[in-house]
This record gives sequence, structure tokens and C-alpha cells, in this order.
Amino acid sequence: EAQVTQNPRYLITVTGKKLTVTCSQNMNHEYMSWYRQDPGLGLRQIYYSMNVEVTDKGDVPEGYKVSRKEKRNFPLILESPSPNQTSLYFCASSLSSGIGNQPQHFGDGTRLSIL
Amino acid sequence: SQQGEEDPQALSIQEGENATMNCSYKTSINNLQWYRQNSGRGLVHLILIRSNEREKHSGRLRVTLDTSKKSSSLLITASRAADTASYFCATYDYKLSFGAGTTVTVRA
Repeated sequence: EAQVTQNPRYLITVTGKKLTVTCSQNMNHEYMSWYRQDPGLGLRQIYYSMNVEVTDKGDVPEGYKVSRKEKRNFPLILESPSPNQTSLYFCASSLSSGIGNQPQHFGDGTRLSIL
Repeated sequence: SQQGEEDPQALSIQEGENATMNCSYKTSINNLQWYRQNSGRGLVHLILIRSNEREKHSGRLRVTLDTSKKSSSLLITASRAADTASYFCATYDYKLSFGAGTTVTVRA
């Protein structure tokens, strides 16, 4: 089944404790991205990747890191999480970097709570 | 940045009724997409309409686009309980930007 898989789905952690949210897609998509969703603000893009070893900042990249060493994986790293990063996070992918013309495939989300 | 803005923020209708929601955006776009999000799940792509199209249908969904008014509408006909979800428009100029969504509740 074609899908985007995120892990973990839920995480409660404390300020400053490094964490990684994994994202994997099995559709051979070139383009992958991370969003955070907060009430009243919609989805805001954190980082995106056009292809392997190519990443770039989205609208709200501060406090986050990403890497794209393999086509299928795009982990999101919070080196020193803070409470304002408490949010619902989504990974998405699409076939190529012409994302405007293609549907985005989303994972089921990761709910992070930073205490 | 938030390009599209959906209206209304929330909508409650009876099963069988039609639901209409609107999306307004600020700058010129290449195309516009609509997505659905069920509670606790990721977004699911519904339909894409290009800037040179005025109307598009997919099953019970009808999307219109008026580039002169910088607006789009999503109509769900003969709504069902399963249509209860949040609906988002996403506009694409050089990047994809999502609005804050319209929450639709379909009452049985």
C-alpha cells in the first residue's frame, strides 16, 4: 500500500531532550516536506527536500533540522526542543518537485508535547 | 505564510444537505488544491484545479475557481456523516501554502 509513515505518533518529552521524528515513503517520491499544524494557523511548512541531499527552509525552520540521505526517508530533528514546538507535525511527499501540479501524500501525523 | 483563507471557519449541516466553503487568496497562483482532514488523521488530497480552469467535478465534489476575484469554492452535495472533517485549500505560486481550514460537521 502506498503510504507515508511517521513515527512516533505521539510523544511527550521535556525541554532540551533531543528527539527525532522519522518519516518514510514507499512511493519513490522525490519531494518530501514537513509541516506543523497549530489551531487557527493552518499548516506551516518547516523544511522541504526536492531530492536526496537537497533540503531547504520553509516558513518556520527555527529550532528544527532535517536530512535526506535516502530518497525514502526524511527525518525531522529537534536538537533542543522547547514548549513552543508543541504541535501536530505532518510529513508529506509528492512525485517530483513540481509540487503545485501534484497531490501531496500525507502521513497520519505526530503529536508532540514538550513540557 | 498563509496564502489561502477559508470561509466559514465552521459549518454544521444536516445529512443530505449541500455544504459550501470558500477560499480566498492574495497573489496570483498556478493552481489550487483542496484537501480533507478527518479528526486525528493526515490530509487527503481531494481535487486540483488549474488557473485556466473555472470548474471541476469529482464525484459529489464541485470546485470553482475565479482568478479575477482570487477565490475558489468547494461544494459537497448530498452530504453524509462521513463528510464530517476539516477542509483546506492550498494555493501554489512558487510554493504550496495552506489555509486554516473549514470544519464541517454533518448531523445525522
